[in-house]
Amino acid sequence: IAGITQAPTSQILAAGRRMTLRCTQDMRHNAMYWYRQDLGLGLRLIHYSNTAGTTGKGEVPDGYSVSRANTDDFPLTLASAVPSQTSVYFCASSEVTSSYNEQFFGPGTRLTVL
Amino acid sequence: GQNIDQPTEMTATEGAIVQINCTYQTSGFNGLFWYQQHAGEAPTFLSYNVLDGLEEKGRFSSFLSRSKGYSYLLLKELQMKDSASYLCAASDSNYQLIWGAGTKLIIKP
Repeated sequence: IAGITQAPTSQILAAGRRMTLRCTQDMRHNAMYWYRQDLGLGLRLIHYSNTAGTTGKGEVPDGYSVSRANTDDFPLTLASAVPSQTSVYFCASSEVTSSYNEQFFGPGTRLTVL
Repeated sequence: GQNIDQPTEMTATEGAIVQINCTYQTSGFNGLFWYQQHAGEAPTFLSYNVLDGLEEKGRFSSFLSRSKGYSYLLLKELQMKDSASYLCAASDSNYQLIWGAGTKLIIKP
């Protein structure tokens, strides 16, 4: 069982380029999330999806877009990358029940925008 | 607004006990999570509290006081492998996790 996979593991990108970070889960969780993690700032939510076909904006959505065409996949797209988007990106999933929403994380993508 | 506060860094000695505190303010509350994150790795789940009191799991325990908006993670018999960041996260009324910035725990021999 893989859990959550992310690709690529790391990427160096020129500013202005378009980039899609991939995330796939095999746990059939209903909810999925994209976070960025920067030193001293902790995890910040970019976008989330509570179920296939729906998405929502998190704390820092500007410059990012997502789609949730099916349960397993939740790609994150940077339409035109800027240096401030240099970060470590984590995808997570959870099965949200009445009160419990433990999140499971992928291994992360380290992105550098030059 | 929603806010989670925890110390930035703590140092402890191998074999000792350390307590990492966390205070939270959220719109609604559906529980408090603690995660461990080793450098360069993803966060992994440690504990969950939704009722007041202490939850014990081996060398790790977590405490919650809902009335005070306060939690702590207690690590006993510290080992070098416990050197990591510990993330506190509160679940709000929409079941979103609000994350603290993390506490980096340094273990010295």
